[in-house]
Amino acid sequence: AQSVTQPDIHITVSEGASLELRCNYSYGATPYLFWYVQSPGQGLQLLLKYFSGDTLVQGIKGFEAEFKRSQSSFNLRKPSVHWSDAAEYFCAVGSVRGRDDKIIFGKGTRLHILP
Amino acid sequence: DGGITQSPKYLFRKEGQNVTLSCEQNLNHDAMYWYRQDPGQGLRLIYYSQIVNDFQKGDIAEGYSVSREKKESFPLTVTSAQKNPTAFYLCASGVVGSNNQPQHFGDGTRLSIL
Repeated sequence: AQSVTQPDIHITVSEGASLELRCNYSYGATPYLFWYVQSPGQGLQLLLKYFSGDTLVQGIKGFEAEFKRSQSSFNLRKPSVHWSDAAEYFCAVGSVRGRDDKIIFGKGTRLHILP
Repeated sequence: DGGITQSPKYLFRKEGQNVTLSCEQNLNHDAMYWYRQDPGQGLRLIYYSQIVNDFQKGDIAEGYSVSREKKESFPLTVTSAQKNPTAFYLCASGVVGSNNQPQHFGDGTRLSIL
């Protein structure tokens, strides 16, 4: 069965510093991978997604993620964080099997930004 | 602007009561989803629908029911059989296809027990 693990529950970085949020997945075939961001009390917004092709994926808000099959990872990165990036981030892995399309979410990583 | 509207934002349920959460979208998406979010648990899929008048159970469907009579609407009923309904409920929509995933989320409904 597919699964996704986000090892870090909380991450704190200083404003202007670089960021990397970790995501590891378990899936029998090439997965569909996603990163979402959630601000407090709000829904989720899709940051980026990987389906195939170039393993370095660019997303919105200056985020990128790299798919590494050998490590079963899809880590999210940003070279310089802003205070507005403080939020919760969810990695997700997709299962596409005809009508049984659905994705599984990780438990999230909450990002805190120090001024 | 297109989007997903969930209402109400806050909802309170009495013991033994059924409550219905509304979800409406004007994105012309065929697929709609309901997720439950608990602190530290991520999102768990309750029900999803890829076409009008059809829906499938997700991972935690017990105690919930849905209908999909119109493309735009996918209401979720939390029944009295759901013994622990306090959570944040998120509705989402997406395009059905080989790359299907929820593309847009509503702002959620927070359900609490009185």
